[in-house]
Amino acid sequence: SAVISQKPSRDICQRGTSLTIQCQVDSQVTMMFWYRQQPGQSLTLIATANQGSEATYESGFVIDKFPISRPNLTFSTLTVSNMSPEDSSIYLCSSMMGADTQYFGPGTRLTVL
Amino acid sequence: AQRVTQPEKLLSVFKGAPVELKCNYSYSGSPELFWYVQYSRQRLQLLLRHISRESIKGFTADLNKGETSFHLKKPFAQEEDSAMYYCALFDDYKLSFGAGTTVTVRA
Repeated sequence: SAVISQKPSRDICQRGTSLTIQCQVDSQVTMMFWYRQQPGQSLTLIATANQGSEATYESGFVIDKFPISRPNLTFSTLTVSNMSPEDSSIYLCSSMMGADTQYFGPGTRLTVL
Repeated sequence: AQRVTQPEKLLSVFKGAPVELKCNYSYSGSPELFWYVQYSRQRLQLLLRHISRESIKGFTADLNKGETSFHLKKPFAQEEDSAMYYCALFDDYKLSFGAGTTVTVRA
């Protein structure tokens, strides 16, 4: 399994600002993923981040709102832009290990005031 | 469209009693299904994969294609099994999660 860390673990932000979340994996992985878990809800995939290509966004998520970087095989960032209270969620990254198994980071708890 | 359904939001059982968490899926073809667990203040972690047919922490899950189900079972629940459990469907490298079931095991 992979060891995945995220920074920050939590943050409280003002409306209209942006926050960048970092995800670090302890081994090289091809595929990384970003999920959102809104209060009381399940996990929803935001996008898939592959090194060397643009991120692929799921329906309902756009690059202008959630720009993603994937500069190398162990690191990715997700930015939540122009935040509103509706963006208050836990944001999780994961990496694919093997053919079909994903391992998750500890999550970043974001509160937007 | 809902691909993974976990009908029970909350499940409370007594220690030593059997526990079964229901999961139904919608998928054409051969599904790959997982159970993930999140203990209090811990990260989401893989519990078991249907393809490996293993038993982890006493839990098993059998894929029933006829009923499109992948229920998670444990014959004797322990207090440390109290957690949130998610059923997930793997397709095209992505995971679709069910809504989750919160399990409370009472002494």
